[in-house]
Amino acid sequence: GAGVSQSPSNKVTEKGKDVELRCDPISGHTALYWYRQSLGQGLEFLIYFQGNSAPDKSGLPSDRFSAERTGGSVSTLTIQRTQQEDSAVYLCASSLQAGVAYNEQFFGPGTRLTVL
Amino acid sequence: GNSVTQMEGPVTLSEEAFLTINCTYTATGYPSLFWYVQYPGEGLQLLLKATKADDKGSNKGFEATYRKETTSFHLEKGSVQVSDSAVYFCALTGAGGGNKLTFGTGTQLKVEL
Repeated sequence: GAGVSQSPSNKVTEKGKDVELRCDPISGHTALYWYRQSLGQGLEFLIYFQGNSAPDKSGLPSDRFSAERTGGSVSTLTIQRTQQEDSAVYLCASSLQAGVAYNEQFFGPGTRLTVL
Repeated sequence: GNSVTQMEGPVTLSEEAFLTINCTYTATGYPSLFWYVQYPGEGLQLLLKATKADDKGSNKGFEATYRKETTSFHLEKGSVQVSDSAVYFCALTGAGGGNKLTFGTGTQLKVEL
């Protein structure tokens, strides 16, 4: 079956531009997570959704970052006025349901964002 | 808050050597513990997990035991192969919080013939 997919796989943008990153979770998975993997910060949590609601946005680094999820499926992470420190690999994961420890999170391949 | 500390890499071993990657954690309550692996050019994959104290997670010859008394979850394998070369991440999910993962910094393992 299809796994978590993310698009684009690579994105190069200029400082100050806005970018949108997309995540398609596994069908039937109600929980969706965004993480960021960067050289300086390692792997860090950004935000998660249960259905279309985002109970925890605590990892978003600034108000330039936002995310939404529609129809309990696709999610978009938007970064406004990108900065060079936003360069990282953005990972999306999904699981059957949040709040249940043994529900494995399945990760997508990531979007590599480079801000020039 | 929650945190995970794992040994620095890179770790270079000869094939068939014994592997230990240390991982300790700080968390309130009773977290679930995980090892994830990232093979070159691939995404993160769950390697093994343990959800309560004294549980042993195992997969592909790798093992880790949830030790609450030492707040540790060390990864071990008796005989590594070249194909085990990857980056290994220790992680936890704390009580509440929707099971967001807190990761260690990752340990790169290189296995040579």
